[in-house]
This record gives sequence, structure tokens and C-alpha cells, in this order.
Amino acid sequence: AQSVTQPDIHITVSEGASLELRCNYSYGATPYLFWYVQSPGQGLQLLLKYFSGDTLVQRIKGFEAEFKRSQSSFNLRKPSVHWSDAAEYFCAVGGSGYSTLTFGKGTMLLVSP
Amino acid sequence: EAQVTQNPRYLITVTGKKLTVTCSQNMNHEYMSWYRQDPGLGLRQIYYSMNVEVTDKGDVPEGYKVSRKEKRNFPLILESPSPNQTSLYFCASSRQTGVGSPLHFGNGTRLTVT
Repeated sequence: AQSVTQPDIHITVSEGASLELRCNYSYGATPYLFWYVQSPGQGLQLLLKYFSGDTLVQRIKGFEAEFKRSQSSFNLRKPSVHWSDAAEYFCAVGGSGYSTLTFGKGTMLLVSP
Repeated sequence: EAQVTQNPRYLITVTGKKLTVTCSQNMNHEYMSWYRQDPGLGLRQIYYSMNVEVTDKGDVPEGYKVSRKEKRNFPLILESPSPNQTSLYFCASSRQTGVGSPLHFGNGTRLTVT
């Protein structure tokens, strides 16, 4: 069965500091990996996705994610955090059919001044 | 504007009183799904639909029903709600299952069952 582990429930980062959110997955075939972000009172929005090819996913809003097959990881990074990045972040894994998209439990990012 | 619309945003009800949470998407998406979000548990899939008249159970379907009579709508029905169904519910849709079709989420329905 597929699963996603986000080891950190909460992370507090100072504004301007770097960020890394961890995600480990278990999947029996080639995974499709996603990062979603949820702002307070909102639904989830897709941040990044990895299907194949380069292991470093293109940047969006300054975020990047690196797929490491040997470590079964898909960590999210940002070099310099902004206060507006405070939100909950979810990692998800799936296959070619979205019926099997599995989410992690989420990591709440708090940004301190 | 392309969106997934859920109603109501907030709902308080009593045990056993049937309720329906509506979900509608205006993107002509084939795939729709319902999730519940609970603290410490993340998102868990309740039901999904690959297309009209095609629905299937997710990870936590007990106590819920769905229907997909038309492409744009995917209501979630609680025939006899219980307090353990108190949760935040999200409807989501995507153009199709498979590569390159990200999920679009509604803004959620917070349900309280007393």
C-alpha cells in the first residue's frame, strides 16, 4: 500500500531563513509526487509536481523540490522564507490514476519575524 | 472563473438528521472526489468518481453516500450523521485521472454533528 510520511507536524522558521520540509513516501511503482499548500480557510492548492525526468522540480514562488529515489524522499525547499509562506503543506503520492492519491498528514509552517 | 464550489461552508446538525453537502465544478472535469481532513490525520479520501454514473469507495467511505448524475455535480450525503463525522470536508476535481491533471479543491465545508 502507498503511504506518505511528513515527520514534522510544525516547523517555525524566521523570515528570510531557509526552509526544508521533509516528505518520505512508499509506493510500489514509479511515483507521481506532489506538494500542496493550504492557507487558513482555504482549500489545497497545487504547489509542485514531479512525474518524471529531472529530479529537481522547477521553482514556483521560490519553492523547489527534489526527488531522491534512493531515499524515497521528495523534500520541499525554499532559500528565503517570507511571512506569506505561513501555511500548511501537504505531500502526496499517486500513480497514473488519481483514485490512489495519498496525502501525508501535513506540516504547519510558522514564520517568525 | 474556474472553481470548485462547495455549500454550505459551515454546518451544525444533530445526530441522525440527514444532510447533503453539495459540490459543483465549472471546468468540465471528469474526475471528482471527496476528502475529510482531521487534525493529525491529514486528508483521507471518502469517495471518488471517474465519470458520470461511476463512483467508488475511498479509504473511509463508511457512513457516506455519493452520486454523480451529471458531470458538474458530486454531492456528499450523510444519511444518519454521527459525532465522529464532525470534520472539515473538501471536494476536489481534475480534468482526468492520470499525468498532468492536478486536483482543484473547493474551500471546504466544516461540519459539526452534536
